[in-house]
Amino acid sequence: AQSVTQLDSQVPVFEEAPVELRCNYSSSVSVYLFWYVQYPNQGLQLLLKYLSGSTLVKGINGFEAEFNKSQTSFHLRKPSVHISDTAEYFCAVREYGNKLVFGAGTILRVKS
Amino acid sequence: NAGVMQNPRHLVRRRGQEARLRCSPMKGHSHVYWYRQLPEEGLKFMVYLQKENIIDESGMPKERFSAEFPKEGPSILRIQQVVRGDSAAYFCASSPGLARDEQFFGPGTRLTVL
Repeated sequence: AQSVTQLDSQVPVFEEAPVELRCNYSSSVSVYLFWYVQYPNQGLQLLLKYLSGSTLVKGINGFEAEFNKSQTSFHLRKPSVHISDTAEYFCAVREYGNKLVFGAGTILRVKS
Repeated sequence: NAGVMQNPRHLVRRRGQEARLRCSPMKGHSHVYWYRQLPEEGLKFMVYLQKENIIDESGMPKERFSAEFPKEGPSILRIQQVVRGDSAAYFCASSPGLARDEQFFGPGTRLTVL
């Protein structure tokens, strides 16, 4: 069964610093990969997705992620974070069928 | 174009009661998914439905839980005889249907079982 591991449960970072949120997945076949953001008491919003093609994917709010097939990773990065980026971030994979398998989430805390 | 609608946003039930959670997908979307988020955990898939059909219910608990997506009206997730362990946020998502399509999530229903 496919699984998603988000290595950090919480990541504190100062405003305007760069950040990387790590995600590894287990799958032996082609996958679709997603990053979602969840603000407090809200639903999930798609940040970016990898379906095929270029391994560097750019999303909304200045985020990007790189698909690395050999390392089965899909890490999320932002070169300069803002206070408003404070939220929980979920990595997800979709293999066969349409259901998403989510990681446990990483809480990004941006400090001033 | 309104997003995915879920109601109620908050639901409180006593042990043994029934909970009904409703989800109206985005206009033009015929596929609905339900996910559950337990405290301190990520979202777990429960069930995937198309109009009048359950496509994948591999994440549904074997007892007390059921889901439907009728030809007319919203999708319903029904939990009978709720227990404290059912307390969670339940999210609905919808998509047009292809595997490559993004799933759009609703704001969730937060169920508290007293």
